[in-house]
Amino acid sequence: DTEVTQTPKHLVMGMTNKKSLKCEQHMGHRAMYWYKQKAKKPPELMFVYSYEKLSINESVPSRFSPECPNSSLLNLHLHALQPEDSALYLCASSRASSGPTGNTIYFGEGSWLTVV
Amino acid sequence: GQQLNQSPQSMFIQEGEDVSMNCTSSSIFNTWLWYKQDPGEGPVLLIALYKAGELTSNGRLTAQFGITRKDSFLNISASIPSDVGIYFCAGHYGGSQGNLIFGKGTKLSVKP
Repeated sequence: DTEVTQTPKHLVMGMTNKKSLKCEQHMGHRAMYWYKQKAKKPPELMFVYSYEKLSINESVPSRFSPECPNSSLLNLHLHALQPEDSALYLCASSRASSGPTGNTIYFGEGSWLTVV
Repeated sequence: GQQLNQSPQSMFIQEGEDVSMNCTSSSIFNTWLWYKQDPGEGPVLLIALYKAGELTSNGRLTAQFGITRKDSFLNISASIPSDVGIYFCAGHYGGSQGNLIFGKGTKLSVKP
């Protein structure tokens, strides 16, 4: 069982809606990630938070807005999305400590997003 | 940019057969990770490798970190129907947390 918990599991939203995806981990990890995954493709990195600070934004459109309220929580706020944004959104975490083991990423079960 | 070549893309095997898949790169990695993803679920970490030459097992799964640090393989012995899914390799080339590259995946189908 994954120790990274994502809610909701499924979300359907219109193009004018505002919604949020939520993620929580209790492994004491200090790096948290949002990935986007399309069918039959590998995950694509969107954002990285390290010690609650945004460290990487992979040129993601501003209609996706991440937030890290504390070291255990990560949110992804969604506004004015397009149908092509429909995908599986994965939250992940890692220890962020120095050395190779700090980069081992653990994924949540994902949130299926459909934009209509 | 960094790229991983994962092969094969897909495999159709008989239950009980052994499976082998691998990932190669032109770049050096300091971590290799192998994940399995079931339909509709997130990737689950199977094996993590941190040292060149390291050979690690997890039940019927065995993975190795290549000596050149540019490749890794995953073997599954005596496959069973629940092994069905997509297997991803991922390599981390050091530096920031975002430097994790994924292979394109190997889709495994098992005939009972």
